[in-house]
Amino acid sequence: GAVVSQHPSRVICKSGTSVKIECRSLDFQATTMFWYRQFPKQSLMLMATSNEGSKATYEQGVEKDKFLINHASLTLSTLTVTSAHPEDSSFYICSASTGTSYEQYFGPGTRLTVT
Amino acid sequence: GNSVTQMEGPVTLSEEAFLTINCTYTATGYPSLFWYVQYPGEGLQLLLKATKADDKGSNKGFEATYRKETTSFHLEKGSVQVSDSAVYFCALTSGTYKYIFGTGTRLKVLA
Repeated sequence: GAVVSQHPSRVICKSGTSVKIECRSLDFQATTMFWYRQFPKQSLMLMATSNEGSKATYEQGVEKDKFLINHASLTLSTLTVTSAHPEDSSFYICSASTGTSYEQYFGPGTRLTVT
Repeated sequence: GNSVTQMEGPVTLSEEAFLTINCTYTATGYPSLFWYVQYPGEGLQLLLKATKADDKGSNKGFEATYRKETTSFHLEKGSVQVSDSAVYFCALTSGTYKYIFGTGTRLKVLA
C-alpha cells in the first residue's frame, strides 16, 4: 500500500519550453503532497507543499511563477517548470501524505534535463 | 530549529562487514524518526522508522533504535551485501508534515 507514482521518469526539453511532471497516489488519498528537488550527490530540498484544492506553499527562495504546482484532486499533483533553463536540470521527487500521520510516501523521481 | 546530522560519507565496506551509519538530531517535542534508502537513479524508499523513544525499527536486516537520551537514531546492519550499496538518509518530522533530512551517507559495498 501507499504507492506514489511519477510521470515521466525522464524528460529532456529545450531551453525556453515548459514541462509538466505528474505525481499520483495510486492506492490512497493524499491530503498533502510535497515537491522536492535533488542536486547530484546532495540531499533533498523541499520546494513546496500543496494541499488539495488550495494554493501551494513555497519554500523561501523557490519561484512560484517558475515552478507551478497544482493539486487538483486527492490523488494528483502536478509540477510545471515554466520556461525551463539548463540550471533547472535536476531530479524532482514528489511525496504524499495520507493525513493520518506525518509519514510521507515518495515517488520514484523524475530526471529533468534542459538542453 | 530542528535538524538532523549524519556522518559524512562515503562509507566503503567489504561484503559481510558490520555497518553503522550515525544519525543525531535536535528537535522540539517528540519527533518521529526515519531512515530512507535511495538506489542510483531512483526515489526514496522507507527503510525503517520509529515513532517514540526506545522504539527499534527494523527491516531487511537493518536496525535503528530511537535513543532520546542521546538524541540518536544510528543505522546498523550486521552483514552488508553488495546490493546494499546506496545512499542512506536519516530524517525526522516533529509535529508537522515537513521532513528534516540529513545530508545523506553514501555506502559502497565491495565484493
